[in-house]
Amino acid sequence: DVKVTQSSRYLVKRTGEKVFLECVQDMDHENMFWYRQDPGLGLRLIYFSYDVKMKEKGDIPEGYSVSREKKERFSLILESASTNQTSMYLCASSSPGTAYGYTFGSGTRLTVV
Amino acid sequence: GNSVTQMEGPVTLSEEAFLTINCTYTATGYPSLFWYVQYPGEGLQLLLKATKADDKGSNKGFEATYRKETTSFHLEKGSVQVSDSAVYFCALEGGSNYKLTFGKGTLLTVNP
Repeated sequence: DVKVTQSSRYLVKRTGEKVFLECVQDMDHENMFWYRQDPGLGLRLIYFSYDVKMKEKGDIPEGYSVSREKKERFSLILESASTNQTSMYLCASSSPGTAYGYTFGSGTRLTVV
Repeated sequence: GNSVTQMEGPVTLSEEAFLTINCTYTATGYPSLFWYVQYPGEGLQLLLKATKADDKGSNKGFEATYRKETTSFHLEKGSVQVSDSAVYFCALEGGSNYKLTFGKGTLLTVNP
């Protein structure tokens, strides 16, 4: 089975800190995605990547950046954390053209205080 | 653009009741359709999928049929269990970039 591993289940950070959320997948998937999940808003796409060093903005990229230096790893960066970035962050990966959908990680619940 | 509308919850049922969660979509072309489930404290898991019109996806007693004429993909289960309590997301994959578009999710609670 494909595994998508997010480095932390829970994080607490202070306002203004630079925060790194790491995601690693082990099945050589080309596509990787970062979502945030908030009550009543569902899943919203932050950034995605089709290939190493490739990235595209999703629906809510403001305040975030990403890095994909290796195919298996996709990092989400909060440049200067703010309280409105308190959320559940979900990473996913997929292989294009197979209609298999995504495989998700378990999520990182980030609290910014 | 693509969009997914699913019935808002929460939905509360007794064990062994019949479940329907409605999902309709808007998309160009011929999208693939999915249902994902999220158990408390976990990420999303693929529950079932359908890739073309009239396909029926099924898994763990859940079923959904891809209805192109009504642009719908309703989730059904004949007899729910307490262990089915979770959030259910309808999603579609369409276009050339393989992005999934999600509905907002429906919280299901099944009481003994």
